[in-house]
Amino acid sequence: NAGVTQTPKFRILKIGQSMTLQCTQDMNHNYMYWYRQDPGMGLKLIYYSVGAGITDKGEVPNGYNVSRSTTEDFPLRLELAAPSQTSVYFCASSQDRGLREKLFFGSGTQLSVL
Amino acid sequence: AQTVTQSQPEMSVQEAETVTLSCTYDTSESDYYLFWYKQPPSRQMILVIRQEAYKQQNATENRFSVNFQKAAKSFSLKISDSQLGDAAMYFCAYLEEYGNKLVFGAGTILRVKS
Repeated sequence: NAGVTQTPKFRILKIGQSMTLQCTQDMNHNYMYWYRQDPGMGLKLIYYSVGAGITDKGEVPNGYNVSRSTTEDFPLRLELAAPSQTSVYFCASSQDRGLREKLFFGSGTQLSVL
Repeated sequence: AQTVTQSQPEMSVQEAETVTLSCTYDTSESDYYLFWYKQPPSRQMILVIRQEAYKQQNATENRFSVNFQKAAKSFSLKISDSQLGDAAMYFCAYLEEYGNKLVFGAGTILRVKS
């Protein structure tokens, strides 16, 4: 039972480079989320999706883009990486009641922008 | 805007003893959800316990229980019979009744001594 799978686990980017963080879940969850966790801080919501083809901004969406073409996949795109985007990124999913239900998290991607 | 405050950056407990982690929050809503999440060194985020604000009874999950004081806007986590595996960062989080954004506190590092 894989749950929520994120790749890669670690990545170093140069300023101005772009990359896509992959997230896939095998639980047929409609709700999916991207969070970032800065050192010594709690998680902040970047983007979320309530189903295939539907996405919306969270608390800190600037510098990121998402798409949701299938129920399983919810990739996060970083365009023109900046040092402020150095963080640990978590993908999560939940069943139909969204955040009111248990969130299943991936193991995170540690990103450094130098 | 809702805020969540965890006033204890770090706590220590002896194995088999009991420890209480504090959390306060600020909201003008009457219906909402509160959560405690555990993040061990593996970075995986794990739901520990959930409380619905309309329920007066405090939630309990095995060795974990909460003291929910709605009027005081307080939501503390009690861990009984502490185990080495309880060592982790613990996050308190708030969610509006129909909200799409979990608001996290800054976290409390729990160390368990053998």
